[in-house]
Amino acid sequence: EPEVTQTPSHQVTQMGQEVILRCVPISNHLYFYWYRQILGQKVEFLVSFYNNEISEKSEIFDDQFSVERPDGSNFTLKIRSTKLEDSAMYFCASSEHRSYSGANVLTFGAGSRLTVL
Amino acid sequence: DAKTTQPTSMDCAEGRAANLPCNHSTISGNEYVYWYRQIHSQGPQYIIHGLKNNETNEMASLIITEDRKSSTLILPHATLRDTAVYYCIVRLSGSARQLTFGSGTQLTVLP
Repeated sequence: EPEVTQTPSHQVTQMGQEVILRCVPISNHLYFYWYRQILGQKVEFLVSFYNNEISEKSEIFDDQFSVERPDGSNFTLKIRSTKLEDSAMYFCASSEHRSYSGANVLTFGAGSRLTVL
Repeated sequence: DAKTTQPTSMDCAEGRAANLPCNHSTISGNEYVYWYRQIHSQGPQYIIHGLKNNETNEMASLIITEDRKSSTLILPHATLRDTAVYYCIVRLSGSARQLTFGSGTQLTVLP
């Protein structure tokens, strides 16, 4: 069964450093998403991406975050200057959604655990 | 998107059916009901979705009331591996917008 692949599975970084989390969405999917989950809290939406641009973003997704699809297969989340409160699990998701009707099922990756020291 | 209400936690004996309720009394006619689950620290996993009719797949069944104001996810023979947080989410048909996860129901399957 097709799956969303995320790397690294765990990254430890110093506060103020830049981090790039990578995702390989399912190949025929068109929509891509990043979510995060701080330990013990809800899964929170960060950003969605379609047709090489951001289609929706949350208040969490401020200027320190950026997303990119650099080569047609990878989908990356960059955090420019990490803070302690950025420590969380980051989940990438993708969906096939092609029509203006019908369901939109998201497939999630296993996540990347970011620890900021 | 309509708001959903789920119990905070439920227990179920292994081998028994787990019935997880969800209230979505403000749902509109073109909103789907989705169920996802999250096994500890893993990525959310899609289970099933429905619009009006009851649905069944290899994982579960979804029963939607006739007035669509509530639904029940049924895991017919729960196993220990079904212990997870289960999320009921309502989303507009045709929308590619993000899914909003609430607190969900912590289902614990007991041996």
